[in-house]
Amino acid sequence: ILNVEQSPQSLHVQEGDSTNFTCSFPSSNFYALHWYRWETAKSPEALFVMTLNGDEKKKGRISATLNTKEGYSYLYIKGSQPEDSATYLCAFDPWGGGSQGNLIFGKGTKLSVKP
Amino acid sequence: SAVISQKPSRDICQRGTSLTIQCQVDSQVTMMFWYRQQPGQSLTLIATANQGSEATYESGFVIDKFPISRPNLTFSTLTVSNMSPEDSSIYLCSVLAGAGNEQFFGPGTRLTVL
Repeated sequence: ILNVEQSPQSLHVQEGDSTNFTCSFPSSNFYALHWYRWETAKSPEALFVMTLNGDEKKKGRISATLNTKEGYSYLYIKGSQPEDSATYLCAFDPWGGGSQGNLIFGKGTKLSVKP
Repeated sequence: SAVISQKPSRDICQRGTSLTIQCQVDSQVTMMFWYRQQPGQSLTLIATANQGSEATYESGFVIDKFPISRPNLTFSTLTVSNMSPEDSSIYLCSVLAGAGNEQFFGPGTRLTVL
């Protein structure tokens, strides 16, 4: 059974703090790792699709790194803002291209940023 | 990208009844997916719905419980049949779109079964 673990489960930070979360996934049969941001009552929003070991991607204050050999990815948020409050999901794609659709999701990290 | 809407956004239902959730996409897509997230659990794929063929169900999910329709390339429905409190979840549809075959999600349907 393929398992994706995310930690911490939840996180409370002050506005301006920088933070990071972890996604662990099986290190065999890797194709891609997806990060999503999910605000309550909204659609999960794709942040990054990462495919290469050592990949580092950045979108504004959010960045992510990937280590496929040891099976983990980190998501960093620099200078957290209240609007960053959301659940951050990672999803592991072992089959290739997402064409099968069957992404394996972690339970998410719920981030709350206090003004 | 793809813009997806779902109806209803939320509902509270009685045990033993059925609810049909609609998913509408703003462009034609080949593959549509239905997921659910039970409280405290991961998003889990229920089935893949392709237009013109029977839906393909994942292990632990059966057609009698979760019948799916896919009448055209922009629309699908998922029915949650004979509901029990364990069916209380967020149900999301998603599609593959874009050059990178990314998955785009609807906003979800939050179902509570009493």
